[in-house]
Amino acid sequence: QVQLVESGGGLVKPGGSLRLSCAAAGFTFSDYYMSWIRQAPGKGLEWVSYISSTGRTIDYADSVKGRFTISRDSAKNSLYLQMNSLRAEDTAVYYCARDWVQYYDSSAYYLWGQGTLVSVSA
Amino acid sequence: QSALTQPASVSGSPGQSITISCTGTSRDVGGFNYVSWYQQHPGKAPKLMIYEVTNRPSGVSNRFSGSKSGNTASLTISGLQAEDEADYYCSSYTRSTTRVFGTGTKVTVL
Repeated sequence: QVQLVESGGGLVKPGGSLRLSCAAAGFTFSDYYMSWIRQAPGKGLEWVSYISSTGRTIDYADSVKGRFTISRDSAKNSLYLQMNSLRAEDTAVYYCARDWVQYYDSSAYYLWGQGTLVSVSA
Repeated sequence: QSALTQPASVSGSPGQSITISCTGTSRDVGGFNYVSWYQQHPGKAPKLMIYEVTNRPSGVSNRFSGSKSGNTASLTISGLQAEDEADYYCSSYTRSTTRVFGTGTKVTVL
């Protein structure tokens, strides 16, 4: 079954760290660009980061640059987001998402996980 | 990077057509044909409805169509149905190689 399953969310104190994982199944993970997108409670979608199919090209939203690190492990069919120096405003459901087409940056997110909730609070 | 501007809400009666606008700048919507649209029902993950301005993924109803003029992209839903009631978001590639989403539009079927 083609799917993405996120894990690793939870409650963390401001300044703390968390690592999110996204397990891919049912497709050739190494062929696709992958992204993290978040949604604060009751708010809209916010793009966070993307990584190319090879892992060589990476980019981040200004709001997380220098604090978050995206990575991928094709041997484990997994995407990761290391989040450091967490702030209250990072509280959100974090989705991993796969691009629409193989090898190519379409900037269109066809396959989404169910999301994992990150809560940053003292 | 500022969010793309969408109307907060749009409504229509069953069978009618509605259009949702998504306004950016020449650095994003106007500069690239990488605009996509997403439908999100409450508590669910978003669903891709349109990619590269006008293209529909397989399985998406042909009642959904996309277009672009200058710095504004649009999503039109024709033959509005009850199941179309949801939040809709646009997204665009940007000149700084990041991506940006729109502010979101709540569609209500009267």
